[in-house]
Parts: sequence; C-alpha cells; structure tokens
Amino acid sequence: DSGVTQTPKHLITATGQRVTLRCSPRSGDLSVYWYQQSLDQGLQFLIQYYNGEERAKGNILERFSAQQFPDLHSELNLSSLELGDSALYFCASSVGDRDNNEQFFGPGTRLTVL
Amino acid sequence: DAKTTQPNSMESNEEEPVHLPCNHSTISGTDYIHWYRQLPSQGPEYVIHGLTSNVNNRMASLAIAEDRKSSTLILHRATLRDAAVYYCILGDMEYGNKLVFGAGTILRVKS
Repeated sequence: DSGVTQTPKHLITATGQRVTLRCSPRSGDLSVYWYQQSLDQGLQFLIQYYNGEERAKGNILERFSAQQFPDLHSELNLSSLELGDSALYFCASSVGDRDNNEQFFGPGTRLTVL
Repeated sequence: DAKTTQPNSMESNEEEPVHLPCNHSTISGTDYIHWYRQLPSQGPEYVIHGLTSNVNNRMASLAIAEDRKSSTLILHRATLRDAAVYYCILGDMEYGNKLVFGAGTILRVKS
C-alpha cells in the first residue's frame, strides 16, 4: 500500500460524458501527478500540481483539466469523452517537486468509455 | 526529454541475480537516473535512483557508469514476485518532477 488513494476504482461511461477522478496523496506530500496508461501509448505524464499550483504539464488534452485543493487532494476532470480515452489513470504523490523525490503511485482508476 | 534505451524483455531464474541494463547517452549533468517497476495489475512502484555514485537499498542496487551514459539495475536474488516491467527514467528537473516512461523491460522469472 503506497498510501495514495484513488476513487473510483472502476468507471464505465458513454461517449460525450464527463467524469471526475479523485486522488488523495500520502500524508505530508505536497506534489500530485496524473498519468494515463493505455495499451497503445503506454504510461504518459499528464500534469503535476505542487501545493495547489500547476507545476508541469505533459500531453494533456484540452478536454481534460485538473486541480489540487487546499487539503492537497486532487481531481482530474475528463469531458466530452471519446472511446480513445479508455485507459488506466494513475495518481502519484511526492514530498516536494524536486527531481530526486520518489513518487508513490496509487492503484489507479480504470475508465471504460462505451 | 532525454531518452533511455532498454531491452524489450529479459528472463531470469529464481534465486539468481539479474542485471537490467539501460543506455542514456544524452543524459545531462543534472539528470537523476530513476528506476520504477510495474507489477501486473498495479501502479508503478519506485525501485531506486541515483545521480553519479552507485546506490544500494533493500530492493536493489544501481550501478552507474563513470561517464553516466549507462546504468544497470541489479536484483541480487530474483523471486517470482520480481516479475514486472522495469522502467529506467531520466529526471527532468526543468519541468517539475515528471516521469517520462518508455516501454521498459519485461522481466520474466522462472521457477
């Protein structure tokens, strides 16, 4: 158990819909990261927040947005869903935002878009 | 992003040491070398990281070449539980602390 929690575990929805994935970082961790893992693209970094502020952005689609709240939990919002958005979404957290900070990954949310 | 090159797959016998290689010829002087692994149906898990010197922890050892253009992750005694995809990743300090995952090496452990 990494100490990072993600809800829900599974999500099944239809194309065009909007969903919200939630992540609670380990106690004391200020950075939260979101990654997407699909069969064809592998593990891809989406976005990082550090203490409420956006810190780094990867290949995140405009239909996707994220935020980190004052209690440090984070939400990833996916809208206008397409079949290709079906994937595993992982959240990770670390103490700070430095290159030598170990990242702890949650168990993931499996999103299926029908 | 600086790139790494790893073999697609490797096989090992249980109880034997495993050496997983990684090439990173374009590494910059400030890039950390990270290793993560992903067991089946789980999220990635940190294994070890280093900058210039060899590193040891309870899970593995990391041997870094003197010119830092390659590194080797060493599992001293492979167990069935070590069967996973192993990712060698260079840190990217310029843009926060994101991890850029490649395809990794699939490690199979035979009993």
